[in-house]
Amino acid sequence: KNEVEQSPQNLTAQEGEFITINCSYSVGISALHWLQQHPGGGIVSLFMLSSGKKKHGRLIATINIQEKHSSLHITASHPRDSAVYICAVGTLGGTSYGKLTFGQGTILTVHP
Amino acid sequence: DAGVIQSPRHEVTEMGQEVTLRCKPISGHNSLFWYRQTMMRGLELLIYFNNNVPIDDSGMPEDRFSAKMPNASFSTLKIQPSEPRDSAVYFCASSLGPGAEAFFGQGTRLTVV
Repeated sequence: KNEVEQSPQNLTAQEGEFITINCSYSVGISALHWLQQHPGGGIVSLFMLSSGKKKHGRLIATINIQEKHSSLHITASHPRDSAVYICAVGTLGGTSYGKLTFGQGTILTVHP
Repeated sequence: DAGVIQSPRHEVTEMGQEVTLRCKPISGHNSLFWYRQTMMRGLELLIYFNNNVPIDDSGMPEDRFSAKMPNASFSTLKIQPSEPRDSAVYFCASSLGPGAEAFFGQGTRLTVV
């Protein structure tokens, strides 16, 4: 079993829909990251969080430390949101503190 | 700041040749990471440096891979000799510290034929 599991692997939505991507992890973490990778290949950090909830524009990220689960929500989705969304967890402690372990990514396609 | 700068953006080389990938981190960032992305395995950490010192190189696949960080503003990842299975996108990222938000470069797409 992978240390970081994302679901779904593929997601198709119509413009305007509310989208949720889930991430579960099995290790102790220093922080959880949500990353976005567009078809051109560049990776952008969307959120880094260790508790609670963060919001940026139409994006909301939540984390439940006890349940080892995080969700990324996109409200009023738009075709430009089409990308791969990657969950990554930072390792807790030792020389590997902050080392990122990645989920397999969720491919989101938003149709107009 | 221009962000993390990687070069080259694309590299095509023949099997057996030496390949050197370069990275300039964001000024002031103390941690630098090299990642590899493939369709089969997704993103994997190869090595990371803190204050120019290699901290964790457990992800380096084999002795053909080596990474250096001679100063705070430059790092290289070298593959010698290269093999077709090394074909991937290699990302460099930097952060203020190992637990801080990481900023990624645009990646180097390596193709070994």
